[in-house]
Amino acid sequence: DAGVIQSPRHEVTEMGQEVTLRCKPISGHDYLFWYRQTMMRGLELLIYFNNNVPIDDSGMPEDRFSAKMPNASFSTLKIQPSEPRDSAVYFCASSPRENYEQYFGPGTRLTVT
Amino acid sequence: DAKTTQPPSMDCAEGRAANLPCNHSTISGNEYVYWYRQIHSQGPQYIIHGLKNNETNEMASLIITEDRKSSTLILPHATLRDTAVYYCIVTGANSKLTFGKGITLSVRP
Repeated sequence: DAGVIQSPRHEVTEMGQEVTLRCKPISGHDYLFWYRQTMMRGLELLIYFNNNVPIDDSGMPEDRFSAKMPNASFSTLKIQPSEPRDSAVYFCASSPRENYEQYFGPGTRLTVT
Repeated sequence: DAKTTQPPSMDCAEGRAANLPCNHSTISGNEYVYWYRQIHSQGPQYIIHGLKNNETNEMASLIITEDRKSSTLILPHATLRDTAVYYCIVTGANSKLTFGKGITLSVRP
């Protein structure tokens, strides 16, 4: 298995633009997680899904952020409009079942200028 | 989920055992202890987890005290590639991982 796949690996955009980050979880994994990592705040859970349904989005910073999982093999995290403070590394992770180890992707490094 | 406390950093010599401590004095009966690590510029990597018994896998051993208020992750023969930030996380049945600052392990030649 290729592991969790994220794209793009790097994204540079200007303030106000829409940004879409993509994630393909490991096949057969029912749980998908989106995290954000910054120097100031460390690694934070933004939202997670179970069987394509959002379970907990309490970590989503504000309405500019939205996440979807249209099917078991694809998820997106969208920021509209983007701001410089959104600059971070965004990780996607998947897990086969509840309270089990999570497998992380390589991350997307987002820079908003 | 219970909070964890880890020292900010430690180092060890290559080839020696690295013992990474973690305090979780408020852990409740149904909460697990997880360890992840993050090598520079990579995503976090699962290492091991346990409930109350000691656990061992190909990467490490996890020793949990009898009262479950603390644990130690043991890397039996540290290599330079084990240099990373190690996170001790306590979590219940909701699958949510709350990462703290972790402990930075530096393995020296």
